Amino acid sequence: DAKTTQPPSMDCAEGRAANLPCNHSTISGNEYVYWYRQIHSQGPQYIIHGLKNNETNEMASLIITEDRKSSTLILPHATLRDTAVYYCIVRLPYNTDKLIFGTGTRLQVFP
Amino acid sequence: DAGVIQSPRHEVTEMGQEVTLRCKPISGHDYLFWYRQTMMRGLELLIYFNNNVPIDDSGMPEDRFSAKMPNASFSTLKIQPSEPRDSAVYFCASSPREYLGAEAFFGQGTRLTVV
Repeated sequence: DAKTTQPPSMDCAEGRAANLPCNHSTISGNEYVYWYRQIHSQGPQYIIHGLKNNETNEMASLIITEDRKSSTLILPHATLRDTAVYYCIVRLPYNTDKLIFGTGTRLQVFP
Repeated sequence: DAGVIQSPRHEVTEMGQEVTLRCKPISGHDYLFWYRQTMMRGLELLIYFNNNVPIDDSGMPEDRFSAKMPNASFSTLKIQPSEPRDSAVYFCASSPREYLGAEAFFGQGTRLTVV
């Protein structure tokens, strides 16, 4: 799997957009970018994934650069409940390709 | 669906004892994963099953660890004998078979403390 690089921590004011970056410069052409998050004491939760087009769902938006070497997860209106560790993972879209978690970004949303 | 169900939520045991963690995946999911999480090592994939068959157990730390999936609705992770360094949160996850449906659904985890 391609490695990903994320900042260890970020802060965001409640109600503002949280933009979480991820670098994946060695991503291959058929690997997808997945985002999960883990709220304290809970299991990881799937957020969104994409290949090369920008994606949006009820939780977040995913912006992938044209060269696919980096991406940004956007939480448009962060709430205190969005405080969590966010993991960016690059992998093939098959269950036989392991879902490997790195160290992630700890997002702290403050009032 | 109630999601992935793990039991017990908390387990405290003495060193040397056998520990069994249990998982019920989401109905219809063909893949089941066991992860371990510690502060030092983060989330580690231990083993995963496809249609009840173990596919990759390369993450299992040593022979003291074993996992089974006797049917599509139940899996166990056993540690025998347990050691203090096995203390961690153990997560079970399941995933459907669809091509792009690779999102995995995680249980709430079992917090294991070996004293």
